[in-house]
Order: sequence, then C-alpha cells, then structure tokens
Amino acid sequence: AQSVTQLDSHVSVSEGTPVLLRCNYSSSYSPSLFWYVQHPNKGLQLLLKYTSAATLVKGINGFEAEFKKSETSFHLTKPSAHMSDAAEYFCVVSEYASGTYKYIFGTGTRLKVLA
Amino acid sequence: DAGITQSPRHKVTETGTPVTLRCHQTENHRYMYWYRQDPGHGLRLIHYSYGVKDTDKGEVSDGYSVSRSKTEDFLLTLESATSSQTSVYFCAITAGDTQYFGPGTRLTVL
Repeated sequence: AQSVTQLDSHVSVSEGTPVLLRCNYSSSYSPSLFWYVQHPNKGLQLLLKYTSAATLVKGINGFEAEFKKSETSFHLTKPSAHMSDAAEYFCVVSEYASGTYKYIFGTGTRLKVLA
Repeated sequence: DAGITQSPRHKVTETGTPVTLRCHQTENHRYMYWYRQDPGHGLRLIHYSYGVKDTDKGEVSDGYSVSRSKTEDFLLTLESATSSQTSVYFCAITAGDTQYFGPGTRLTVL
C-alpha cells in the first residue's frame, strides 16, 4: 500500500538560508511524486513533480527535489529562503491502478521564515 | 489554474441541515475529486468521479454523497451535517497524472 511520511511538521529557517523539507514514501509500483504549496487561506499549488524522468526535478520559485529510490525519499530543497516561502508544503504520491489515479497526501510541513 | 471554481467559498450551517457544495470546471476533465483538509491530517479523499454518473468512495466517505450529472459539475452533499464535518473542502481535477485544486470551501457546522 502507498504511504507518505513528512518527517517534520514544522520547519523554521532564517531568510537567505537553505530550506530542506523531508518526505519519505512507500509504494508498490513506480510512483509519481509531487510537492504542493499552500499559502494561508489559499488552495494547493503545484510546485513540482517527478514522473520517472530525471531524478532531480526543478520546480517553480527556485525549489527542487531529488528522487532517491534506494532511500525512498523525495526531499524538497531551496538554496535561499525568502519570506514569501512561508507556507505549508505537502508531499504526495500517486499510482495508476484499476483505471484511475489515486493520490496519498502527507500530513504537511509548515515552513516558517524568520527575518 | 485549471479553471476550477467552488461555491460557496464560505458557509456556516447548523447540525442536522443538508448542505451541498459545488465544484465547477471549464476544461472538460474526466476525473474530479472531493477532499477535506483538517489540521494534522493533510488532505483526505471523500469521493471521486471518473465520468458522468460514475463515482466511487474515498477513505472518508461516511456522511457524504456526490453526484455528477454533467462533465463540468461535481456536487458534494452532506445529507445531515454534523460538527465533525466542519472542515475545508477542496475539489480537484486530474490532467494527465497531475492534480489541480480549486480554491476551497470553508464549512462550519454549529
């Protein structure tokens, strides 16, 4: 069965320092993996996705994630945090089975950026 | 933006009353989903649809029903709202293998 674990519920960084949000997954098949961002009182916006092409995936706003099959991880990084990055981030795994896509969400990591 | 709107955006209702939330999409996507978002739980799937009149249950479907009489609209109904259904509800569509979300509906059941 699929599952997603976001290892930190809260992360605080100073503006201008690197961001690391950790995600581990479990999947029986070759998964697709996604990161979404949710700003306060907003919907979820796609940051990036991995679908078995390059293992290093670049997304919007300077974020990137690396798929590591041996570690079953898909951690999200950004070299330099900006105040506008403060939001909640969700890691998602999907599989295509029985004619439909199923998506499993992590419980989220809230990123705080300190001035 | 995948052309998804949700209505209403906010609603306050009383326990025991019926409530219907609407999701509307403009791009003819086949798959549509309803999720609820609660602190500490991420998003949990309530129901989904894979075509007109074709729907199936998700992991938290108890107390909810859905209908899809045309491609562009996916309705979520709480037959008799309870306080445990206070939540933020998101509609989503799938384009290829990627989900895109509506802006959400904040529902409060008193």
